Amino acid sequence: DGGITQSPKYLFRKEGQNVTLSCEQNLNHDAMYWYRQDPGQGLRLIYYSQIVNDFQKGDIAEGYSVSREKKESFPLTVTSAQKNPTAFYLCASSTRDSAYEQYFGPGTRLTVT
Amino acid sequence: RKEVEQDPGPFNVPEGATVAFNCTYSNSASQSFFWYRQDCRKEPKLLMSVYSSGNEDGRFTAQLNRASQYISLLIRDSKLSDSATYLCVVNIAGRGYQKVTFGTGTKLQVIP
Repeated sequence: DGGITQSPKYLFRKEGQNVTLSCEQNLNHDAMYWYRQDPGQGLRLIYYSQIVNDFQKGDIAEGYSVSREKKESFPLTVTSAQKNPTAFYLCASSTRDSAYEQYFGPGTRLTVT
Repeated sequence: RKEVEQDPGPFNVPEGATVAFNCTYSNSASQSFFWYRQDCRKEPKLLMSVYSSGNEDGRFTAQLNRASQYISLLIRDSKLSDSATYLCVVNIAGRGYQKVTFGTGTKLQVIP
């Protein structure tokens, strides 16, 4: 089955620790995205990548880092510099020409205490 | 003004009712429009595109009003399974780039 996987579903970390969220897709999509969603708020774009070895900051990139070494994988690191890291993190992918048709993974709920 | 605005709701409607949501957008250069559905604590999924002439998919009808810069989603004969948050999405494309903006969503609760 083609799709996007994110792991783990729930993640708990202590403040001050970096944490990496996994995102893998086998849809052969060029573009991948990371969003953050907070209760009662919409999706906010953190980073996106349209091609391997290239990525751009989204609207709220501060405190996050990404890499895109393989087409299938786009991991997100939440660093200790991110002031409010507790949130629902969603990864998505699309073809380069159809960024509006995004396929989302099931998300990771990160709680930092 | 936000790029994409939606009434957060919740819209509480009885089964079988017809309900409509609007979504306004601020950039007149916006080119394409979509509705996504997001169930509670799940990921968003594409529901339907919105075409200039309006389009229908079963009980769902989407319309675009470019002059007033809004799109709408009409759901007829509401089912309990329609309970979800509906996100409108606006796409602007130029040479070599696309900008996709998600609205914050309108929550629908269909009650028995």
